Amino acid sequence: AQSVTQLGSHVSVSEGALVLLRCNYSSSVPPYLFWYVQYPNQGLQLLLKYTSAATLVKGINGFEAEFKKSETSFHLTKPSAHMSDAAEYFCAVGLSDYKLSFGAGTTVTVRA
Amino acid sequence: NAGVTQTPKFRVLKTGQSMTLLCAQDMNHEYMYWYRQDPGMGLRLIHYSVGEGTTAKGEVPDGYNVSRLKKQNFLLGLESAAPSQTSVYFCASSSERTAQIEAFFGQGTRLTVV
Repeated sequence: AQSVTQLGSHVSVSEGALVLLRCNYSSSVPPYLFWYVQYPNQGLQLLLKYTSAATLVKGINGFEAEFKKSETSFHLTKPSAHMSDAAEYFCAVGLSDYKLSFGAGTTVTVRA
Repeated sequence: NAGVTQTPKFRVLKTGQSMTLLCAQDMNHEYMYWYRQDPGMGLRLIHYSVGEGTTAKGEVPDGYNVSRLKKQNFLLGLESAAPSQTSVYFCASSSERTAQIEAFFGQGTRLTVV
């Protein structure tokens, strides 16, 4: 079974600092990986996705993620946090023909 | 652009009551999904549909039923609500199988069962 582990349920960063959100997956075959963002009282919005075309994936709002097969990781980063980045972030893996398996989520707070 | 629209946005039910959540998408997507979101557990798939007239069980289907009579609509029913069904429910749709192509999500329905 596929699963996703997000390390850290809460991350607090200063405005302008690096944002690093960790995601590890378990998969016996190359997966499809996604990062979604959820702003307060809203639905989920796709940040970026990995579909094996390139290991470094750039998404919206300055986020990027690197797929590392040897580490089974797909960590999300942003060089400089902005107040508008405060949200909950979900890593998800898709392998079967219908299901996205989500991590538990990481809430990001940004300090002024 | 409406995308995926869920109604209602909020609802409070008494234990044992029934209700139906409606999801409508205007993107002509084949695949539709119902998830529930609970703190610390991410999103869990309740039921899904791969086309008009089809439905299938996801991870946590017990206590829910679904119907997909029209391609653009996916209904989630609770026949006898229980406090354990207090959650935020999200509908999603995709043009291909979710594993490969992104899913588009609605704004969510916050349901409280007292």
